[in-house]
Order: sequence, then C-alpha cells, then structure tokens
Amino acid sequence: DTGVSQDPRHKITKRGQNVTFRCDPISEHNRLYWYRQTLGQGPEFLTYFQNEAQLEKSRLLSDRFSAERPKGSFSTLEIQRTEQGDSAMYLCASSQGQNQPQHFGDGTRLSIL
Amino acid sequence: KNEVEQSPQNLTAQEGEFITINCSYSVGISALHWLQQHPGGGIVSLFMLSSGKKKHGRLIATINIQEKHSSLHITASHPRDSAVYICAVRSYNTDKLIFGTGTRLQVFP
Repeated sequence: DTGVSQDPRHKITKRGQNVTFRCDPISEHNRLYWYRQTLGQGPEFLTYFQNEAQLEKSRLLSDRFSAERPKGSFSTLEIQRTEQGDSAMYLCASSQGQNQPQHFGDGTRLSIL
Repeated sequence: KNEVEQSPQNLTAQEGEFITINCSYSVGISALHWLQQHPGGGIVSLFMLSSGKKKHGRLIATINIQEKHSSLHITASHPRDSAVYICAVRSYNTDKLIFGTGTRLQVFP
C-alpha cells in the first residue's frame, strides 16, 4: 500500500496558462475525491468519482475546471486559463467505498504568478 | 455561517497539558472525521465516528449526535502533536466531506 500519490507536488505557472494535476489512488479504492484548500482555510469539496463515473460536482468547479477518471484508476484535474484565485493546495483522497474513511495524498500546491 | 465550526482557531500549550478541540455542525450527518494536517499539506485521518467515543493512544474523540457536537482530546500533549486539527462531516445524502477551518495547535517543551 503506497498511499495516495499526487503529481506534481508544486506547480508554478503564469496567469492564463493551463495546468493538469494527477492523482493515483490506493489500489482497489473505487472512490476518488478532489478538494481545494486555500491558505488558512479548511479544504472545500470539488468533485468525486466512483470508478470512472463522476458522481458529484461542486458549483466551485467552474467551466474552466474539468476532472476525469477514464479507467477508474488514476484521475486528472485540469484548470484552463488559470486565474490568481486558483492559487491553492489541490488535495486528492480515495476510499474503498461510500461512507468509508478517506485517505489523502500530500496535495499539489498551485501558485499563479 | 459555516456548516462546520471549530474552536478555538489557535491553541498554545505546554508539553504535558490536556488539550480539547471542539467542533459543532449544523447539518445531519452520517459520520464525523477528525483529521491532522502537518505543514506541507499532508492530511492524516485520526478518527471516523458516528456515535459515542473512540480512543487511539493519547487521542480521544467523542460525539454527541443530539447536540451536533464533537470534541477531540489529547492527553499528555507533546511537541510532536503540533499541527492543524480539522473536523469534517459527511452529510446523509452525499459522500463528500464538509470541513471546518481547522485548529492550529502548538505544543511547547
């Protein structure tokens, strides 16, 4: 069990660029969650998947954000035309199923110049 | 008003002190989580509970469903307990977590 893995750990980009983050869940965990955390705040829910199906999306997830989990294993979160307000820690978690403990990765810190 | 409120926001203690962090929530829940976050971002799940009390080492978590309140206690605190402690709830009709803003704990030798 290697835990939830996120890549990259830190991304610095200029405003207006597109960025993509990857999350590899614990193997055989069928649920995968994305959260966003800004400085000094608790994480906020973005979206979650069961296998390849995206079950719920937050209204925080504007049209510039898209998440996929094409084969029900790893997931990607893409942000298009990044804005200053997108600067945050993006956290991924996985679980064995509904109402099970969620295991978190170390996050990807996004900094927009 | 946030759906999950924690108090205090910041807490300073001397090594060995008994520590209590409180969490109140306003939604119906299926479970409540206590999480620990160290500098750099990594989050570790400490407890998931839906009733009563759980204990793990020096950590104790309690929940009162009727009062919509939970507490996290740390006995004999140690500098390595310094971290942000976050309360999160899962409401009945969804699997997402709703988080409090966290309590920053610093324990000094």
